[in-house]
Amino acid sequence: QQQVKQSPQSLIVQKGGISIINCAYENTAFDYFPWYQQFPGKGPALLIAIRPDVSEKKEGRFTISFNKSAKQFSLHIMDSQPGDSATYFCAAARSGGYQKVTFGTGTKLQVIP
Amino acid sequence: EAQVTQNPRYLITVTGKKLTVTCSQNMNHEYMSWYRQDPGLGLRQIYYSMNVEVTDKGDVPEGYKVSRKEKRNFPLILESPSPNQTSLYFCASSPGQGAGYTFGSGTRLTVV
Repeated sequence: QQQVKQSPQSLIVQKGGISIINCAYENTAFDYFPWYQQFPGKGPALLIAIRPDVSEKKEGRFTISFNKSAKQFSLHIMDSQPGDSATYFCAAARSGGYQKVTFGTGTKLQVIP
Repeated sequence: EAQVTQNPRYLITVTGKKLTVTCSQNMNHEYMSWYRQDPGLGLRQIYYSMNVEVTDKGDVPEGYKVSRKEKRNFPLILESPSPNQTSLYFCASSPGQGAGYTFGSGTRLTVV
């Protein structure tokens, strides 16, 4: 049972454009929504995270938008750069006690010059 | 440097030959976890540990074992590897309480 659905599977964006990756979750007990960035040959690294008490969080060119009623959240990468080319994973977790994290299936982003 | 160290990075083995992938973290994290990454399936949790001697199954535990005898180490054991365990494996640790995971660099395992 896939509890976090991520789309698209792959994305090509021109340099300077906006990259948008969407995720939807089913379990309303989730209260922590991180995004991870993975470069080839590396492990995923925490990029940005949000909790459901806010609708948006911005860190530099990366913004998470969160819609609690729709059970959806998305990552926006503004002014996308070739160095942003990587695989992005959304995730969801319950922060109380043990933090079991459920990951989406990943989006491979390619930013072309 | 705060990190999660996995060894080996690459491993080719034959069906049925027991193997261990080691994982160590130097951040004094309570929680540790093993994931496998397969194309189109994302990251799936194999086992996790909430503290020394406390472990539990994740979503895909069949064919794997773990132990947590020390806080810093969390080895993954494949008693009798099979070709369907060919995958990219990641160990990760977290301090918990809503903090994210720190991942190792991965172990690419091929079982022939």
